[in-house]
Amino acid sequence: DTEVTQTPKHLVMGMTNKKSLKCEQHMGHRAMYWYKQKAKKPPELMFVYSYEKLSINESVPSRFSPECPNSSLLNLHLHALQPEDSALYLCASSPPSNTEAFFGQGTRLTVV
Amino acid sequence: DQQVKQNSPSLSVQEGRISILNCDYTNSMFDYFLWYKKYPAEGPTFLISISSIKDKNEDGRFTVFLNKSAKHLSLHIVPSQPGDSAVYFCAASDSGYSTLTFGKGTMLLVSP
Repeated sequence: DTEVTQTPKHLVMGMTNKKSLKCEQHMGHRAMYWYKQKAKKPPELMFVYSYEKLSINESVPSRFSPECPNSSLLNLHLHALQPEDSALYLCASSPPSNTEAFFGQGTRLTVV
Repeated sequence: DQQVKQNSPSLSVQEGRISILNCDYTNSMFDYFLWYKKYPAEGPTFLISISSIKDKNEDGRFTVFLNKSAKHLSLHIVPSQPGDSAVYFCAASDSGYSTLTFGKGTMLLVSP
């Protein structure tokens, strides 16, 4: 299994909603990441988890709350988002000794 | 300030010819470089990488060249195929984890 699976593929939410994005990998990777990609822009790093612990938070607003319940799962909890948060949210994973990240297909989020 | 730059937003090449995608970087701490290919509505797919201790890495039709003194790398695709049409992102890392900094991407169109 060489896949990173993200659900849902598409999500539309209101500004008062609470929702969660999910990411799963079964490659034994111990580093997992959330990236955000706006239209016609490169992916931008949001969070890095290493061995289930948050190691990097790129000054992301608290309305985005990551969670790593175990070594295979990564969640991104969303609350009180703004329309400008609409983007493609990408999850990635990598082995600790290798910098090649494998990306999921992303969740296309629209905040209305 | 963009640390990874892809100055060509798009490139058109005929099938069978060589495609050359360029990337420049400013951060001398970057020690690992990657190329990703991305189709619309999908996550980036890893193509090829190169460590700063090398100046060339080859994988089938794909070759990456690194010129450290010029802080420049390039991806050569030969022969180009219509299925290569996609957005190509150059990415760089300065740590043991895949905290990648991406360029803005170059859209490659290979025509039959």
